[in-house]
Amino acid sequence: SQTIHQWPATLVQPVGSPLSLECTVEGTSNPNLYWYRQAAGRGLQLLFYSVGIGQISSEVPQNLSASRPQDRQFILSSKKLLLSDSGFYLCAWSRSWGLPNEQFFGPGTRLTVL
Amino acid sequence: KQEVTQIPAALSVPEGENLVLNCSFTDSAIYNLQWFRQDPGKGLTSLLLIQSSQREQTSGRLNASLDKSSGRSTLYIAASQPGDSATYLCAVKGGSEKLVFGKGTKLTVNP
Repeated sequence: SQTIHQWPATLVQPVGSPLSLECTVEGTSNPNLYWYRQAAGRGLQLLFYSVGIGQISSEVPQNLSASRPQDRQFILSSKKLLLSDSGFYLCAWSRSWGLPNEQFFGPGTRLTVL
Repeated sequence: KQEVTQIPAALSVPEGENLVLNCSFTDSAIYNLQWFRQDPGKGLTSLLLIQSSQREQTSGRLNASLDKSSGRSTLYIAASQPGDSATYLCAVKGGSEKLVFGKGTKLTVNP
């Protein structure tokens, strides 16, 4: 069976510090990978998605970047955090072929920028 | 631009009641619709996915329907239990990889 991991689970960072969040998927190959952010009082917003190693699509211009150095690893980064980067970050995966193209989510990382 | 609305934003019911959660979307050109459950501070758990060619899907006490032409989906929960308390989110997928989410319905089932 497939599992998705995210770490760290929680993170408190000062404004202007760098960020690296990691997501890994087990039990599947060549998945589509996604980063979402859930801010208080707002819906989930897609930040980035990737259909393969080194292939990143950005949905929202922002202070963040994403990378996919390995098939089942997806990293969310920032060089300098802003207060507005606080939120709940969720990684998700889906199969890249066939149906039903369902998305499965990880446990999330709670980021607080002070 | 696709927009997804969920009504009501919050719902409180006594245990054992059957209930319906509503989801509407503005662009009927969807690929699929997915219902999720989110417990406080946790990730999303996929409950049901309905392809655009399907009318409904069932899993245990859950039944989701889709009326693509009218831009509506409902999630029916039978014989609700306190363990069903959570926020329920619906999301639609169009031609891109993007899922567009509603803001959710927070359900409380009182024992």
